[in-house]
Amino acid sequence: AQSVTQLGSHVSVSEGALVLLRCNYSSSVPPYLFWYVQYPNQGLQLLLKYTSAATLVKGINGFEAEFKKSETSFHLTKPSAHMSDAAEYFCAVSEQGGSNYKLTFGKGTLLTVNP
Amino acid sequence: KAGVTQTPRYLIKTRGQQVTLSCSPISGHRSVSWYQQTPGQGLQFLFEYFSETQRNKGNFPGRFSGRQFSNSRSEMNVSTLELGDSALYLCASSWGQGAYNEQFFGPGTRLTVL
Repeated sequence: AQSVTQLGSHVSVSEGALVLLRCNYSSSVPPYLFWYVQYPNQGLQLLLKYTSAATLVKGINGFEAEFKKSETSFHLTKPSAHMSDAAEYFCAVSEQGGSNYKLTFGKGTLLTVNP
Repeated sequence: KAGVTQTPRYLIKTRGQQVTLSCSPISGHRSVSWYQQTPGQGLQFLFEYFSETQRNKGNFPGRFSGRQFSNSRSEMNVSTLELGDSALYLCASSWGQGAYNEQFFGPGTRLTVL
């Protein structure tokens, strides 16, 4: 069974500081990995995804994530936080090659950006 | 191109009633998935449809059901509502089969059960 752990339910950074949101996964087969962002009263928007091509994945809004198989991690980073990055971020995993197309989500990390 | 639309956006029901939520996917998308989001359990997968067939189902009781029509629009129904069914219900659509396909989410329907 797949599972996703997001370390830190709440992360607070200053504007201009590095953003690091942690995600570790557990999967019996190589997974696809995703990061989504959710703004208040909205649905989820895909930031980036890993589908077994390059291990360093670049996404929208300056975010990127690195797949590290040895650490079973897929941490999300952004060099310089903007006020508009304040939102909830979800890491998700899906199984490659199977017939199970569902996304399994982590509990989410609420990012606060202080001026 | 219009995004995923969900109706209604807000709904208030009482225990024991039933409710039907609607989802219109992005034009051309044939896969529709439903998720329940609550503060306690987070985002949980309900079911997924492709070409009118349910391919996957999450671990929810039989009170939760869904269907997909020939135009890919989908509905989900919850019967005999319980207080714990209060949640944001999110619909997502994707172009085709395969876990690598990006899922596009709608804004959700917020259901409150009194």
